Amino acid sequence: AQSVTQLDSHVSVSEGTPVLLRCNYSSSYSPSLFWYVQHPNKGLQLLLKYTSAATLVKGINGFEAEFKKSETSFHLTKPSAHMSDAAEYFCVVSERGGSYIPTFGRGTSLIVHP
Amino acid sequence: DTAVSQTPKYLVTQMGNDKSIKCEQNLGHDTMYWYKQDSKKFLKIMFSYNNKELIINETVPNRFSPKSPDKAHLNLHINSLELGDSAVYFCASSPQSGANVLTFGAGSRLTVL
Repeated sequence: AQSVTQLDSHVSVSEGTPVLLRCNYSSSYSPSLFWYVQHPNKGLQLLLKYTSAATLVKGINGFEAEFKKSETSFHLTKPSAHMSDAAEYFCVVSERGGSYIPTFGRGTSLIVHP
Repeated sequence: DTAVSQTPKYLVTQMGNDKSIKCEQNLGHDTMYWYKQDSKKFLKIMFSYNNKELIINETVPNRFSPKSPDKAHLNLHINSLELGDSAVYFCASSPQSGANVLTFGAGSRLTVL
């Protein structure tokens, strides 16, 4: 069985400071992991994905995430927040070898202050 | 040219009515999904079809019935609407079932009065 936990429901940062959105997963198989972003009143867009290649994954808009198997984590980071980063972020796990049902975390709302 | 398009974008209706939401993808993907997003932003999968065949059917009331006339279309019909059905419904597609990237539509906001 698979599950994903986003450890913070809200994260608030100032523009220009680093962003850290935390995600822990549980999977019986080798997981594929994804981060999606949802801007207000929009659909979801893929930020980045991990599918067993390099453990440090670079995505769009300067975001990156590191797969740490020992910690079962896939935290999303960005060195410097921009106002346009304010959105809802979802961590997703999908088991390769399992049911493949993409399971979403409950989301983290990123608030960026000027 | 929108990759995954849903219609209507907004739907306001009375309890007890029947309504449909349509979804079409022009990406040539084999797999399509319906997700429900509640007021707290939680996304829950409802159904998934692979090449017109139902492969995922989560614990969704029988009032919800998906229909896939071909692999580019996945429609959602809801009978006897209830207040709790108010949500945003997202259609998505992926190249095939499995650990693939999902491409989402813009969502259909359903409000049941």
